This record gives sequence, structure tokens and C-alpha cells, in this order.
Amino acid sequence: DQQVKQNSPSLSVQEGRISILNCDYTNSMFDYFLWYKKYPAEGPTFLISISSIKDKNEDGRFTVFLNKSAKHLSLHIVPSQPGDSAVYFCADVYSGGGADGLTFGKGTHLIIQP
Amino acid sequence: DTAVSQTPKYLVTQMGNDKSIKCEQNLGHDTMYWYKQDSKKFLKIMFSYNNKELIINETVPNRFSPKSPDKAHLNLHINSLELGDSAVYFCASSQGHLSNQPQHFGDGTRLSIL
Repeated sequence: DQQVKQNSPSLSVQEGRISILNCDYTNSMFDYFLWYKKYPAEGPTFLISISSIKDKNEDGRFTVFLNKSAKHLSLHIVPSQPGDSAVYFCADVYSGGGADGLTFGKGTHLIIQP
Repeated sequence: DTAVSQTPKYLVTQMGNDKSIKCEQNLGHDTMYWYKQDSKKFLKIMFSYNNKELIINETVPNRFSPKSPDKAHLNLHINSLELGDSAVYFCASSQGHLSNQPQHFGDGTRLSIL
């Protein structure tokens, strides 16, 4: 039972264009949403987060949008750069119980083409 | 300086053995975690440990036990290893047990059971 779904295993985008990564969730109790970036043989690295009371958060080239009614969030990267090629994980948190860890999606492999 | 370090990076052993994976963080964080990334690439929380409070994901077998000698360390002991334990194990830490605090991950330990 996947509570966090990233339905695109991979995405190829030309350098300089916008990359849009999508994530859907089922648990309406999640109160924070985060995006992590992972290079091969390394651990995930925190990128950007958004609280459930907001619908947008921006940090430089990265913007996360949250649509609570649709239980959907997306990460926009613009302009895309070669160093952005990595696996991107959407992660959601419900702080009210459990191990209070992150619930991850399966990841989307972003490939930036020159 | 590595913020969250795990040793060993690779661990190959036989079924039935007992093994440990060490984790240390030099960020001054007070909460540490263990995650398991299985063959389907899902990252799943196993434990979180904060101020001597251990929260266990109920799906984790009791052959797995975290041990924290101090706030900067959370080691993972696994008894009677089984084939299904083969995975990449990630240690992480954060400041506080709040959901909006990003977690910092180690580079993972790839455990292979023969």
C-alpha cells in the first residue's frame, strides 16, 4: 500500500528547460512534504520542503507546489542544469505518530540532456 | 567533513550470522533514524531514536535492534540474518523530532546475504 506515489520512473529534459516532477499521496494526515535528491552510491540530500498549510515554496531554481484537494505536489526546476541529473524522491511526514520518519515515494530519475 | 557517516559501506555475509552497522553524526542532532531501501527501491523507516526514546516501525522484525551509546551514534545490530535482509540501509539524523526539520542521510550500507 503505497502512501506516496511517483508514477514516472524517469524523466528526460533538455538543459535550460523546466523540469517538473510529480508526486501523489493518499494520507491526508501528512503535514510536511519534502523533496530529496540522490546521486548514485550516496544518501538522499534534502532539497526543499513545504508545510501543508502552504501551497507554494520557492528556493532559487526550485519551487514546490502543493495541491491539498488533489493530494498532489510537484517540484519545478528552472532552468534545468546538468548537475540536476539524479533521482528525486518525494517524502511526506505525519508528525502525529509512528516512527516519525519520512514516507518516501519510489523516486523519479531525472536526466538533463545537453 | 562527513556529517553522517556509516560503516561499513559494503557488507557481505552468510545467512544466520549476526552483524552490526555503525552510524555517527557530527551535526549535534538529537534524533537519529535507520531506513531500509529494498530491491524495489522503496526507502522505509525502521527506527527513530530521540532522547533515549526509541520508536519502532511495527513491521521491523525483532532480529533488528538499534543501540545508541550516545547522542552522536546509533548502531544497527541484526541477528540471524536472512536472505530478505539484503538491502541498502541508510542512517539519518535531524535536529529535534519535528517533522519540518530536514533529515541528513549517510551514504548507505549495502548488505548482501549469501
